Amino acid sequence: KNEVEQSPQNLTAQEGEFITINCSYSVGISALHWLQQHPGGGIVSLFMLSSGKKKHGRLIATINIQEKHSSLHITASHPRDSAVYICAVLYSPNFGNEKLTFGTGTRLTIIP
Amino acid sequence: KAGVTQTPRYLIKTRGQQVTLSCSPISGHRSVSWYQQTPGQGLQFLFEYFSETQRNKGNFPGRFSGRQFSNSRSEMNVSTLELGDSALYLCASSFGGAWDTGELFFGEGSRLTVL
Repeated sequence: KNEVEQSPQNLTAQEGEFITINCSYSVGISALHWLQQHPGGGIVSLFMLSSGKKKHGRLIATINIQEKHSSLHITASHPRDSAVYICAVLYSPNFGNEKLTFGTGTRLTIIP
Repeated sequence: KAGVTQTPRYLIKTRGQQVTLSCSPISGHRSVSWYQQTPGQGLQFLFEYFSETQRNKGNFPGRFSGRQFSNSRSEMNVSTLELGDSALYLCASSFGGAWDTGELFFGEGSRLTVL
């Protein structure tokens, strides 16, 4: 069983729509990252969260530590937001060792 | 400010050979972490170095190794290559003393093909 589950796996929406991508995890974490990967492989870090909510431009990320759940929201979506969005959690599988574990990603396509 | 630089960008090897990949972090960043990305397994964490010491390690066999130099540049080595080692290898650097204190900056990756 994956420690990190993302939903949906694929999402297609019209330009301007409000987008929500979900990430659930099963382990106690010290931090959660949201990443964006464009075709060609380049990865950009969007947010690092350990509690609460962060906002950057049209992107909002929230985390609920008790429910082991995080969401990434995109307001007024645009075709340039088309990418794969990946959730990653930082946790300690054993004492003295920390590991970053990734979700399988959500492929987002925004249609003009 | 220069980003994270990985070399080479593309390489082709044959089974049984070994390969060394290089990662130069953003100036001032002391943590460098390595990842493997394949279509089947997605992104997987290999290891993380901080101040020349391997601080964290993923679940990869001993054929995968790495090191970090005093200038924070890092190399990873894969020995006795197998077909399944074909992947995009990414490194990321971060500023903080603990790699959960800030964002990760990724390089463009080194795409390895094993024939």
